[in-house]
Amino acid sequence: KQEVTQIPAALSVPEGENLVLNCSFTDSAIYNLQWFRQDPGKGLTSLLLIQSSQREQTSGRLNASLDKSSGRSTLYIAASQPGDSATYLCAVRPLGAGSYQLTFGKGTKLSVIP
Amino acid sequence: DAGVTQSPTHLIKTRGQQVTLRCSPISGHKSVSWYQQVLGQGPQFIFQYYEKEERGRGNFPDRFSARQFPNYSSELNVNALLLGDSALYLCASSLGTDLGGYTFGSGTRLTVV
Repeated sequence: KQEVTQIPAALSVPEGENLVLNCSFTDSAIYNLQWFRQDPGKGLTSLLLIQSSQREQTSGRLNASLDKSSGRSTLYIAASQPGDSATYLCAVRPLGAGSYQLTFGKGTKLSVIP
Repeated sequence: DAGVTQSPTHLIKTRGQQVTLRCSPISGHKSVSWYQQVLGQGPQFIFQYYEKEERGRGNFPDRFSARQFPNYSSELNVNALLLGDSALYLCASSLGTDLGGYTFGSGTRLTVV
């Protein structure tokens, strides 16, 4: 059974700092990995989608990497801003049976202090 | 283009009642998935429908059911509500192809009292 772990559970940084959020998964047989942002009480906003054949994806100040063999992904946020404060979730989509369902981590709650 | 639309946004129900949640996917998306997110946890998979057929079901009791209509919109029904069903219910749509990502709606906050 696929398990996804996100460390740390919470992170507080001063504005302007670069930061890295971590996501690990136990089964490397995945189609892709997706990073989401969730504001309190709201739905999920997709940030980046990395296919299993890719090593990284970039969007603006965000860069996500994927090391499938070691079961790890990182989300790098450059020059953090107070508006980046949210919970960040990673989710993996497995190969084979059950490939239609995402398995999520519990998220990392990020607070960027002005 | 409109994103994934869910209704209602908030709902309060009493234990034992039944509830229906609705979702309209992005235009052109044929797959709809439902997830339950309890406070402080990641979303948990409930159902996926593709082309009006159930593709998969998560580890949820039979009190949970869903269907997809010819226009690809979907309903999630929960019978005999329990306090533990209180959660944010999220709908996600996708093209249905294996390599696609998912787009989520804003969710329905269900509170069972």
